[in-house]
Amino acid sequence: ETGVTQSPTHLIKTRGQQVTLRCSSQSGHNTVSWYQQALGQGPQFIFQYYREEENGRGNFPPRFSGLQFPNYSSELNVNALELDDSALYLCASGTPLLAEGYNEQFFGPGTRLTVL
Amino acid sequence: AQSVTQLDSQVPVFEEAPVELRCNYSSSVSVYLFWYVQYPNQGLQLLLKYLSGSTLVKGINGFEAEFNKSQTSFHLRKPSVHISDTAEYFCAVTEVDSSYKLIFGSGTRLLVRP
Repeated sequence: ETGVTQSPTHLIKTRGQQVTLRCSSQSGHNTVSWYQQALGQGPQFIFQYYREEENGRGNFPPRFSGLQFPNYSSELNVNALELDDSALYLCASGTPLLAEGYNEQFFGPGTRLTVL
Repeated sequence: AQSVTQLDSQVPVFEEAPVELRCNYSSSVSVYLFWYVQYPNQGLQLLLKYLSGSTLVKGINGFEAEFNKSQTSFHLRKPSVHISDTAEYFCAVTEVDSSYKLIFGSGTRLLVRP
């Protein structure tokens, strides 16, 4: 069973540009979540997708958007980049609900985005 | 709203010594609790989780944590650390009824010295 992969590993953009980050989930996982981890901080929940629809969202503006595809891949899109968007972006794919009533999430290695 | 507090930003310890990383949470509803570890240039790996039942939970790599509901704490412990345990450790919480959204603390860097 392959793990969660993300691409690219690193990315440099300039303020105002748009960026697309990609994630490939584990087979059989039906949810994908995205987190933003600023330097020296814990990850912050951006949103989750379930069956290709947004299933919950954190405190992030609409210029953060996503897509989930039937082949277990997903994208995070960020428009009008700002300097504060510089961070490590983590993707997590989740199992279907387990007997305990939660879906365990498996994290990828992240994409480090630098906005200049 | 939920929140997680990790008071210690860095914990230095000598190899083979015991360690405790502190975590306190705030929530008005029932929660699940987690500890994750992040090694340099890697994603998050689940160390252990508390869902229900026994308040003492054991995880991978010899770590354990104890859930204390009255003190709203979930401290992580290891009786004897190794150099390889040097990493960033994150405590996280999620609501039982909306377990898709993890709320993380700011992390504690464990630095194991020889």
